[in-house]
Amino acid sequence: AQSVTQLGSHVSVSEGALVLLRCNYSSSVPPYLFWYVQYPNQGLQLLLKYTSAATLVKGINGFEAEFKKSETSFHLTKPSAHMSDAAEYFCAVSEDQGQNFVFGPGTRLSVLP
Amino acid sequence: DAGVIQSPRHEVTEMGQEVTLRCKPISGHNSLFWYRQTMMRGLELLIYFNNNVPIDDSGMPEDRFSAKMPNASFSTLKIQPSEPRDSAVYFCASSKQGAHYGYTFGSGTRLTVV
Repeated sequence: AQSVTQLGSHVSVSEGALVLLRCNYSSSVPPYLFWYVQYPNQGLQLLLKYTSAATLVKGINGFEAEFKKSETSFHLTKPSAHMSDAAEYFCAVSEDQGQNFVFGPGTRLSVLP
Repeated sequence: DAGVIQSPRHEVTEMGQEVTLRCKPISGHNSLFWYRQTMMRGLELLIYFNNNVPIDDSGMPEDRFSAKMPNASFSTLKIQPSEPRDSAVYFCASSKQGAHYGYTFGSGTRLTVV
């Protein structure tokens, strides 16, 4: 069965610093992997996705993620944090055409001035 | 495109009352999902539909919960009777069929049962 873990329920970075949010998954087949962002009082918004093409995926707002099969990881990074990046970030995995995603527990990102 | 539209945005109701949450998916999306989000349990998939047919309702917590999708442009999630522990944010999401598309989420309905 597929599952997702996100190390760190809360991450704080200074404005301008590197953002690294960790995601590890388990899957018996090559997965589809996603990162979503949730701003306060809003729904989840797709940041980026991996669907078996390039292993380095670029998304919106300067975020990118790298699929590493050997490490079963799909960590999210951004070179320089902005105050507007403060939000909750969810990693999700799907391994079937039935689209039943499994979401991780989320990581709350705080950006300090 | 207006995106996935949910109504109401906020609902406050008394315990024992019936609650109906509504969702209009994106036109052309043939899969629809209902999720519940709480601090304790995170995001939970309640039920999903493909082409208006319920595929997996194993996440529906109990018989008090029911969901329908009478046509491709409308779905409801009903709780009857409601209980305080049902208080949560309920999200609807839609997608084209195929996991690689990802979901588009609505803004959610914040339900408070007092």
